Amino acid sequence: DAGITQSPRHKVTETGTPVTLRCHQTENHRYMYWYRQDPGHGLRLIHYSYGVKDTDKGEVSDGYSVSRSKTEDFLLTLESATSSQTSVYFCAISDPIGAGDGGNTIYFGEGSWLTVV
Amino acid sequence: AQSVSQHNHHVILSEAASLELGCNYSYGGTVNLFWYVQYPGQHLQLLLKYFSGDPLVKGIKGFEAEFIKSKFSFNLRKPSVQWSDTAEYFCAVYNNNDMRFGAGTRLTVKP
Repeated sequence: DAGITQSPRHKVTETGTPVTLRCHQTENHRYMYWYRQDPGHGLRLIHYSYGVKDTDKGEVSDGYSVSRSKTEDFLLTLESATSSQTSVYFCAISDPIGAGDGGNTIYFGEGSWLTVV
Repeated sequence: AQSVSQHNHHVILSEAASLELGCNYSYGGTVNLFWYVQYPGQHLQLLLKYFSGDPLVKGIKGFEAEFIKSKFSFNLRKPSVQWSDTAEYFCAVYNNNDMRFGAGTRLTVKP
């Protein structure tokens, strides 16, 4: 398994509160991603990062922000949680440059289950 | 933007039956193609991938997939499924930092 740790693994929070999910990697991979997984939608990209302090929006970025101050950590913040953000959130990493396995393979963390009530 | 379609939402098979899960994508340029599997309660794991070369790709656990460029397809196959293959399967297409997933196909294998 790729060295990816997500925290918290499970969280229940109230509508309107801010929530931060943390992704930590030990692989020194350049790219990090946050996806959400919902039934019938597969995985949808929220934000991704291509380096420290370099981030970009994905398909479903509204209501989310990210930060990457260190290579190993990528934080996802729900600024004001809503019930529609109840989901499973997966962090992922990849290293397109110089990777021996052909580069662009994305490896996933174990997921963070978020319930907004 | 590229998109990925998986035709079957839920497939139910008996053990030893053959499996084929369809995947089509919309992007016309060079892409990298993947199949991931997600066992109940677990994270996604890579089954196989295609970057270039032989369009028939073999992955783990006896799975294989064939890339047919003219059909924009990357179908997943297994000649004989087992109960332990019960899981959700996701096709994915990668191009220029954009990784798109299909909605997934849930496979149930009856013992």
